[in-house]
Parts: sequence; C-alpha cells; structure tokens
Amino acid sequence: GQQLNQSPQSMFIQEGEDVSMNCTSSSIFNTWLWYKQEPGEGPVLLIALYKAGELTSNGRLTAQFGITRKDSFLNISASIPSDVGIYFCAGLPLGAGGTSYGKLTFGQGTILTVHP
Amino acid sequence: NAGVTQTPKFQVLKTGQSMTLQCAQDMNHEYMSWYRQDPGMGLRLIHYSVGAGITDQGEVPNGYNVSRSTTEDFPLRLLSAAPSQTSVYFCASSRVSPAYGYTFGSGTRLTVV
Repeated sequence: GQQLNQSPQSMFIQEGEDVSMNCTSSSIFNTWLWYKQEPGEGPVLLIALYKAGELTSNGRLTAQFGITRKDSFLNISASIPSDVGIYFCAGLPLGAGGTSYGKLTFGQGTILTVHP
Repeated sequence: NAGVTQTPKFQVLKTGQSMTLQCAQDMNHEYMSWYRQDPGMGLRLIHYSVGAGITDQGEVPNGYNVSRSTTEDFPLRLLSAAPSQTSVYFCASSRVSPAYGYTFGSGTRLTVV
C-alpha cells in the first residue's frame, strides 16, 4: 500500500523557536492533510492542501503542497508550550476515486516537545 | 455534543477472546474508518466504509471484521484476540470525503494478554 515517510520522528525545542517537519511519498498524491494529536485524544485537522505548490496558513502554522506532488511541509513559527503533541501528515493518492477516497494514509508522526 | 463516540475507552482481553469496539457518529457522515495507532507506526487503516452497506479493507484488516448496517454505527469486531492487536483504536468519520478531513473519536485503548 501507500507509504508516507515523515521526518523528523521527534523534536525537542525551546519556546519561541520555529519548527519544520516534512512528509514524502514514493507516489504522487492529490491531497495532503496535516493533523495534530494531543495526549488521550484523537487527531484534529490543522490544514488541508489540494493543489501542487499550494501554500496555506492557519495562525502560526504554514503548510505547503510540494510541486512534485510527492511531498508536503509543515512549519510552526514562534512555538509555544501548547504546541506539544504528535503531528501527522496524511494523504490521498492521485487517482483516488470512488471507494478509494476512504483510504486516507497517515505518516508515522512527529513528536514535538516544547521546553518553556 | 455532536461527534464521534467510541466505547469502551479501555479494555483488557485474554488471548482468544472476541469483542466488539463500538463507534457511533451523529453528524450524518457517509465515510467512516477504523485506524490503529502503534508507537512509531502512525495510524494504520484497518477497514473503512463509504456508506451504509459498503465496507472495504484497509492496510491491516486481518483479524478484524466490520459491518455498516446504518449510517450512524460502524462497529469493529475482533474475532480471536491476539497480543499483536494490543493498540489504540480510533474511529473516524467524514461527511463528504476524507480529503476534507476526518473527525476522530477519542480512542479505545486495548490490551491483549
């Protein structure tokens, strides 16, 4: 099946620093999503991307859909303690249609720790 | 509150036992899915449904069964529990398509001893 490689696996940063993480695939994707999961909860959608080259912001978060359609990036500016959690990329491959829309694939996650 | 409700939140099973994880949503969503989350492996798709009466396999379907008799409910059945099924299970739903984002439940933590 589809595989998404997410890096880094974990990050330990100081409050106020910027954060970057990325996700790559060997296949072409037509949708990229970024989620955040806090302890004891399910993931929550942060940003959705639908076009190659698209750059979308949500507050201090900015995500980009890579022009090759095989990667995506998430940046967090001026991190704060509440940014702690696991960040996941997820995607739907090019050509997904019909029942294949149900096959949303997730990366392994990036564990973010922010020190005050 | 509207959303995805999973029960139970915690469960311990003995090897070989069977059980059903319940998932219900009250948002009239067509798409529903079950994922399992294991450390370092992210979320892996077990089964999904694009509407009542329609289900399909995901990445790791072995040992699990699903059915979708109503729009609201999507139970996950473990036929004969194995230690390898120790995991956190998440149910998710989406109205139009997962491409617009899933709403996730808060999870069921299952331990098989």
